[in-house]
Amino acid sequence: DAGVIQSPRHEVTEMGQEVTLRCKPISGHDYLFWYRQTMMRGLELLIYFNNNVPIDDSGMPEDRFSAKMPNASFSTLKIQPSEPRDSAVYFCASSPGSSYNSPLHFGNGTRLTVT
Amino acid sequence: AQSVTQLDSQVPVFEEAPVELRCNYSSSVSVYLFWYVQYPNQGLQLLLKYLSGSTLVKGINGFEAEFNKSQTSFHLRKPSVHISDTAEYFCALRNTGFQKLVFGTGTRLLVSP
Repeated sequence: DAGVIQSPRHEVTEMGQEVTLRCKPISGHDYLFWYRQTMMRGLELLIYFNNNVPIDDSGMPEDRFSAKMPNASFSTLKIQPSEPRDSAVYFCASSPGSSYNSPLHFGNGTRLTVT
Repeated sequence: AQSVTQLDSQVPVFEEAPVELRCNYSSSVSVYLFWYVQYPNQGLQLLLKYLSGSTLVKGINGFEAEFNKSQTSFHLRKPSVHISDTAEYFCALRNTGFQKLVFGTGTRLLVSP
């Protein structure tokens, strides 16, 4: 089990550029979550998917953010255009099933810096 | 709405001393409670969870937590800490019937020799 894999680990970009973060969940996990971590706001849930379908995107900050899950083994979080306030660590996590006590398995995160 | 409060942003402690990290929650329905640990430059890992039954829950690395419904608390404890326990600790809850995990703001545990 390779765990949740996120890429890239670090991303530095200029304001206005498009940024795409990638996530490969653990095989067999049918829930996928995107979180953002900042010093000011802590861990915030942005969006989560069940069986590749977005279930709750109420945490997505604004229209500049979009997330997709084209298949069970891949998800992307896109920011277009990026702004300095988007600088944060973005985590992807997956969970094995519909049981509400199933723990989340986190990737190591992508540290995004927008200058 | 549900929420998790971790009042201590940072807890310094000497090696081999006991430690308690506080967590209080608010929810109008039954909850599942979790503690996660985050080591530098890594994602979060599950330490322990409370689902039901015994209010004292034991987790990995010698940590334990006690669920107190009347005080709406789920404090994390360890009788003797190691340098390697230096990390950020997050309390989280999930309401029964929902998949969303709500996190507290985290407590940084700093263990010094």
